[in-house]
Amino acid sequence: KAGVTQTPRYLIKTRGQQVTLSCSPISGHRSVSWYQQTPGQGLQFLFEYFSETQRNKGNFPGRFSGRQFSNSRSEMNVSTLELGDSALYLCASSLGRSYNEQFFGPGTRLTVL
Amino acid sequence: SQQGEEDPQALSIQEGENATMNCSYKTSINNLQWYRQNSGRGLVHLILIRSNEREKHSGRLRVTLDTSKKSSSLLITASRAADTASYFCATDTDTGFQKLVFGTGTRLLVSP
Repeated sequence: KAGVTQTPRYLIKTRGQQVTLSCSPISGHRSVSWYQQTPGQGLQFLFEYFSETQRNKGNFPGRFSGRQFSNSRSEMNVSTLELGDSALYLCASSLGRSYNEQFFGPGTRLTVL
Repeated sequence: SQQGEEDPQALSIQEGENATMNCSYKTSINNLQWYRQNSGRGLVHLILIRSNEREKHSGRLRVTLDTSKKSSSLLITASRAADTASYFCATDTDTGFQKLVFGTGTRLLVSP
């Protein structure tokens, strides 16, 4: 079974720009979660989608948004980028129940200059 | 915000030794999971222990959970250089949803 894939793997943007990251979950998984990892804040939950609906959202500003398509692929968008948005963005897929394991992709490394 | 702390922050051992990492958390949980991360890459799921379980094994890994103390430990026996990585505990607190709250992590260095 193919694992979780994320594109692009690396991205460099400048302040004020916007960015879209993509995540393809494991086949059959309907839940996709997004996390941000920074040296200062560690791993922080952004949001989770299940069957195209956002079920849960972390404490991030409205500049961070996401969506999920009918094939369970998900995208997250960050508008008006700030230097502090530089991070490793990880997505995870699962079957969607709270006791299910989450399988992570390799991440997208975003650098904001 | 972080759910809890991991202890120690860093651990350096020799191959063949055992490594123990501890995780404390703040609120009631449905389950607790341990993940490994190699140098800035994605997270690899190691083991999940449910709130009604006290101990779980998987290969060289042993996880314990004490919900009364809100703590968990991960033991890696007979460590190998390939075990060098950061280890994170993550708690799942929201019933029916998928929202992991991660600890601060333990950096493990296993020297040959």
